[in-house]
Amino acid sequence: QVQLIQSGLEVKKPGASVRVSCQASGYKFSGYGITWVRQAPGQGLEWMGWISASNGDTKYAQKFQDRFTMTTDTSTNTGYMELGSLRSDDTAIYYCARIGYGGNFFDYWGQGTLVTVSS
Amino acid sequence: DIVMTQSPDSLAVSLGESATIHCKSSLTLFYSSHNKDYLAWYQQKPGQPPKLLFYWASTRESGVPDRFTASGSGTDFTLTISSLQAEDVAVYYCHQYYNAPHTFGQGTKLEIK
Repeated sequence: QVQLIQSGLEVKKPGASVRVSCQASGYKFSGYGITWVRQAPGQGLEWMGWISASNGDTKYAQKFQDRFTMTTDTSTNTGYMELGSLRSDDTAIYYCARIGYGGNFFDYWGQGTLVTVSS
Repeated sequence: DIVMTQSPDSLAVSLGESATIHCKSSLTLFYSSHNKDYLAWYQQKPGQPPKLLFYWASTRESGVPDRFTASGSGTDFTLTISSLQAEDVAVYYCHQYYNAPHTFGQGTKLEIK
């Protein structure tokens, strides 16, 4: 069965960077894209960007473009996101999700990674 | 950016009754060359990631109970849950994937009355 397993809790200081991993299993990794969505405490969903696992093409939300990077490693079926210049309002749960076949909806989600930014 | 607006923000419905959630987009989500609406619905229970319910506005994801239905086209969409069960308590989100940046509605919190 399709699974996306994310790395664990992160606590960072303002100005630092954070890297979150998303290991996929149960499907052909290179056949689908990965997207990243975050959710601040008690808030809604915010899309950050997506990456093709087949050719590395990316699309970033303009809001994050200057400090957000997505990559994939097809040898380990893992996607990564890195967010830099962290601020307190970056405190959120960060989710990876698989992009559905034939459309940009998100059909399987990771369990989420809580990133807390605090001095 | 396409703005997605859901209504209501919250609702309380008795067990066995129906619940209806509306989602309105600021631009059409209908892509005429594909004859599809680029709209999805998700259910998020407390402490869990979102779960895909519908895509292409009305295509039910495998495993989703048929008491859930979705409809609409263009800019106006509806999610209906008939015969509400206790396990349906959640926040429901609509999501446009017509263009980037992808955007979500603010969410509708469904509770039992």
